Amino acid sequence: DAGVIQSPRHEVTEMGQEVTLRCKPISGHNSLFWYRQTMMRGLELLIYFNNNVPIDDSGMPEDRFSAKMPNASFSTLKIQPSEPRDSAVYFCASSDRVRSPLHFGNGTRLTVT
Amino acid sequence: AQSVAQPEDQVNVAEGNPLTVKCTYSVSGNPYLFWYVQYPNRGLQFLLKYITGDNLVKGSYGFEAEFNKSQTSFHLKKPSALVSDSALYFCAVRDEVSGGYNKLIFGAGTRLAVHP
Repeated sequence: DAGVIQSPRHEVTEMGQEVTLRCKPISGHNSLFWYRQTMMRGLELLIYFNNNVPIDDSGMPEDRFSAKMPNASFSTLKIQPSEPRDSAVYFCASSDRVRSPLHFGNGTRLTVT
Repeated sequence: AQSVAQPEDQVNVAEGNPLTVKCTYSVSGNPYLFWYVQYPNRGLQFLLKYITGDNLVKGSYGFEAEFNKSQTSFHLKKPSALVSDSALYFCAVRDEVSGGYNKLIFGAGTRLAVHP
């Protein structure tokens, strides 16, 4: 299995631009999670889906952030407009059962200038 | 509310010596506990988990963890450290209020440095 695939690996953009991060979970996994990692705040859960349905988006910092999961094999996290404080590494993770570990992608490093 | 604490920002150990990375947790029910490792520019990798059963859990790369209910701890251990074990280690607990979902609460992480 190829694991969780995220793209792009790196994204550099200017403040005010729209940014879209992409994730392909492991085939057969029915839960998908978006995390953000920064030095200051560590790992923060932004949103998670189960069977393509958003379950909890309370971690999404602002209305500028939105996430979708149109089907079982694809999810996006969009930031519009982006701000320098959004600079972080964004991880996608998936799992197949409640007691199973999460499988993480290698992340997207976002830099907003 | 559930929480996870990793009291040490960094642990330094000499190669060949035993290592311990500490984790304590707070949950109201039975805990589901996990350890993950993160190497530079990579995602988190699963090391081991405790759900029920034997208090000593064995995982990947020779790591093990001891679940202690009375001390609410789940320390990560390895008998003989390798330089290649140097990485960032995260302890996590499943969020009980997430219902049937696998939402994890992560600790702040502990950086392990193994010196030759």
